[in-house]
Formats: sequence, C-alpha cells, structure tokens
Amino acid sequence: AQKVTQAQTEISVVEKEDVTLDCVYETRDTTYYLFWYKQPPSGELVFLIRRNSFDEQNEISGRYSWNFQKSTSSFNFTITASQVVDSAVYFCALSEPPNDYKLSFGAGTTVTVRA
Amino acid sequence: EPEVTQTPSHQVTQMGQEVILRCVPISNHLYFYWYRQILGQKVEFLVSFYNNEISEKSEIFDDQFSVERPDGSNFTLKIRSTKLEDSAMYFCASSEIGTSETQYFGPGTRLLVL
Repeated sequence: AQKVTQAQTEISVVEKEDVTLDCVYETRDTTYYLFWYKQPPSGELVFLIRRNSFDEQNEISGRYSWNFQKSTSSFNFTITASQVVDSAVYFCALSEPPNDYKLSFGAGTTVTVRA
Repeated sequence: EPEVTQTPSHQVTQMGQEVILRCVPISNHLYFYWYRQILGQKVEFLVSFYNNEISEKSEIFDDQFSVERPDGSNFTLKIRSTKLEDSAMYFCASSEIGTSETQYFGPGTRLLVL
C-alpha cells in the first residue's frame, strides 16, 4: 500500500501564480516525520522541510509555505508567486521511526512554471 | 556547508559487469542510505547502514547488491552482475542520527546498463 500519495502528476502555471502541491500520507504510528524534497532538472534531491507528527504549526519560508493537518493526514506545500526557477519535481516523503528510518517517497509532482 | 558527494556522476557498463558506486557522507553523520530512482519514477529505498552493518534493506536489495564502509569516509554500493533493469539514478544519503534527523542526499550516480 502506498504510504505517501501525491495525486497531482503535473502542474503547469504561469510565473507569479501560486501553486499548491498535495500530499496525503498513511501511517499507524503516532510518531512520524514528513519531508518535502525538490528535484530540479539537474537531478539532485534538495531538502526543503521536515515536520514531526507533534508539530502541526504551519510554516513559511520565503515564498514557500506548508500546511500540516493530521485530521486529514495531509502535508501540503504552496509556492507563492512562482518563478521559473521553481520548475522541478517535488517529492513528499514519510519516515516512521523508531521502527522504520527509511524515507517512503510519493510519486512526485512535476511543476512547470512558464515565463 | 558540508555535503554528500558521489562518484562517478555517470557510469555506463555492460550487462553482467560489476559496478561500484562511491559516496562520501557528511563527516559527522552516522547513518547512511542508498536509494535509486528509475527514470521518471519515484525514489525507492534500497538499504540503510549503521555501525558497520546493514540496519534495513528493501526487497530490491537482493544478493546482487552489497554495501561497505571500507574506511572512515567512503560508503560504497556494489552491484555484482548488472542487469538492464539496474539502470537508474542511485542516490546516497546520510543523516546525523537515524531516528528523526533529515537525510541529506548526494547528487546521484546515473548508471546505464547496456
């Protein structure tokens, strides 16, 4: 069974539009961690954010913001005023320590920002 | 800023050949991982390594695969007899502590098996 579902395969926006990426996760653990990684066209995986299951506070970092809702098992990511450099594949991931340290990734959402 | 490095960046090999992919994790990190990403697909966990032994492995990590930390800095992934389906991007990652710390990824090695 998929532990992390990213239902949006591709999103295309025009520069300066906002874009929200959905992530729904599944776990039976009470302690878990959620992550977002960015994979630009160059191929590397860039860490963006980590949240633990006890911290539902939303977070903003520049143009990026994250909305964590345990009630709906979602950890959505919004890029405000998108730029061409935001074009990338974005992955949501879950880890479930202490039994499972590995990251379980979603399928990724390809974001294309057009000038 | 410390980073994970991987060599080579690209490798082309013939089916049946052995390949060794190399990684240098961040120096104070204790947990090491290998993941792979087949072109256009999601990132999949292969193996985690702590205290000089495998702590977890996936069903992908069969007898053809092995990992080693030959010295205090390198962490290697060996594929004994490559298959066409091993063609993928292989990522090394490390974390300071396994339980909750962020895993930082290297730039990847793109492996092509012909």
